[in-house]
Amino acid sequence: DAKTTQPPSMDCAEGRAANLPCNHSTISGNEYVYWYRQIHSQGPQYIIHGLKNNETNEMASLIITEDRKSSTLILPHATLRDTAVYYCIVRGTMYSGGGADGLTFGKGTHLIIQP
Amino acid sequence: NAGVMQNPRHLVRRRGQEARLRCSPMKGHSHVYWYRQLPEEGLKFMVYLQKENIIDESGMPKERFSAEFPKEGPSILRIQQVVRGDSAAYFCASSKGPYNEQFFGPGTRLTVL
Repeated sequence: DAKTTQPPSMDCAEGRAANLPCNHSTISGNEYVYWYRQIHSQGPQYIIHGLKNNETNEMASLIITEDRKSSTLILPHATLRDTAVYYCIVRGTMYSGGGADGLTFGKGTHLIIQP
Repeated sequence: NAGVMQNPRHLVRRRGQEARLRCSPMKGHSHVYWYRQLPEEGLKFMVYLQKENIIDESGMPKERFSAEFPKEGPSILRIQQVVRGDSAAYFCASSKGPYNEQFFGPGTRLTVL
């Protein structure tokens, strides 16, 4: 699975959109981009994933660049409860020959929502 | 639909004892993954199981650690003869299929005295 690079920390004001970047320049054609977050020692929480097209669900939006070398997770109206470590993970599929195995978590981005 | 359940949530053992951690996957999920998070470190994959089979145990320490996922009942992560370095949070995740998103439980915090 491709490696990802994220800034170690970010601040965002409550009520504003939080935009979390992720670089994955070695991503291959059939690898998905997944986002998880971990709120202070709780179990990681699945947020969203995508392949090429932008995706949106009730939690967030995922914008993937056309060359797929980077992506941005957008929390449209951040609240204090969104303070967490956010992980961007690239994962293979059966079509990329990727193993159906565990997720590789990096250090993530510690997002702090300021009141 | 209940999420992934883990018990106990907290477990204290003395050096040399055995620790058994249990994980019940989400309803309809037959794939289970175990991860370990050492203090101040990131999450590390340990083992991936599908009912009655170990698919990938590349992240499991070679000694003292074992995992199972029987046909009936929860998945069990077993640590024999625990040492202080085993103190960590152990998370279980489950998925519907091998390439589906994984959903995590609340974790078991193991403290070895």
